[in-house]
Amino acid sequence: EVQLVQSGAEVKKPGESLKISCKGSGYSFTSYWIGWVRQMPGKGLEWMGIIYPGDSDTRYSPSFQGQVTISADKSISTAYLQWSSLKASDTAMYYCARLAEAGAAAGTSDFDYWGQGTLVTVSS
Amino acid sequence: SSELTQDPAVSVALGQTVRITCQGDSLRSYYASWYQQKPGQAPVLVIYGKNNRPSGIPDRFSGSSSGNTASLTITGAQAEDEADYYCNSRDSSGNHLLFGGGTKLTVL
Repeated sequence: EVQLVQSGAEVKKPGESLKISCKGSGYSFTSYWIGWVRQMPGKGLEWMGIIYPGDSDTRYSPSFQGQVTISADKSISTAYLQWSSLKASDTAMYYCARLAEAGAAAGTSDFDYWGQGTLVTVSS
Repeated sequence: SSELTQDPAVSVALGQTVRITCQGDSLRSYYASWYQQKPGQAPVLVIYGKNNRPSGIPDRFSGSSSGNTASLTITGAQAEDEADYYCNSRDSSGNHLLFGGGTKLTVL
C-alpha cells in the first residue's frame, strides 16, 4: 500500500527555521516525483515545487523560489520542505503528494497519493 | 501562461448534473487533473488524463477538454459530492505545475 506520512504539526516564532518531512512507503521512492503544496487558512491549493528523489532534480514555483528549500534523502525514502526564516505568512497546511507517472521524464500533473498534511503555525 | 481559472462557487440540485470548468492557455497542450477536497481532509484525485478515474472514484465523475477549457462533470450529484474541487496542470513551459483557484460545490 502506497503511503506518504508527514511529520507532525509545528508552532514556531517568526525568524525561526523549520524542516518538515514526508516519508514514502509501499513503492519505489526514487522513481516518482514528490511535490509540495501549500494551503493557507481558508484558501486554495498552491504548488510550491517538486523533487525527483532518484537524482534530486528539483523545480520550484516562481512564487516560492528562494523562499523554501526542497530536498530528499532516498536512503530513508523521505522528502523535506524547509524554511530558514519563517514569517507569519507561512502559516498554512502543507501537503506532500506523489506525481502519478513514474520516471524522471514524467510529463503529467496528477498527484495520486497525498500525505495527511502538516500544519505550520508561525506566531510571536 | 501561468494561470488556471475556476469559478469560485457552483451549486447543483441533488441528482442533477453539474459541470465545473477550468480555463488556461496551457490546457491547449496539457490535460487537467481534478481533485476533490472536503473540509479537514487532504485532496483526492478524481479525474486524470483524457478522462480517467482512479480506483474507487464513482463513474458519475467524468472529465473532458476543449481548447483552453477543461471540465469536470458530475452526473447525478450526491450530497457527499459537496466539496471544493481543484484543477491542476502544467504551465505552458511544462516545467512547472499549476492549481486552479478552486470551485466550491454546493449540493442543494
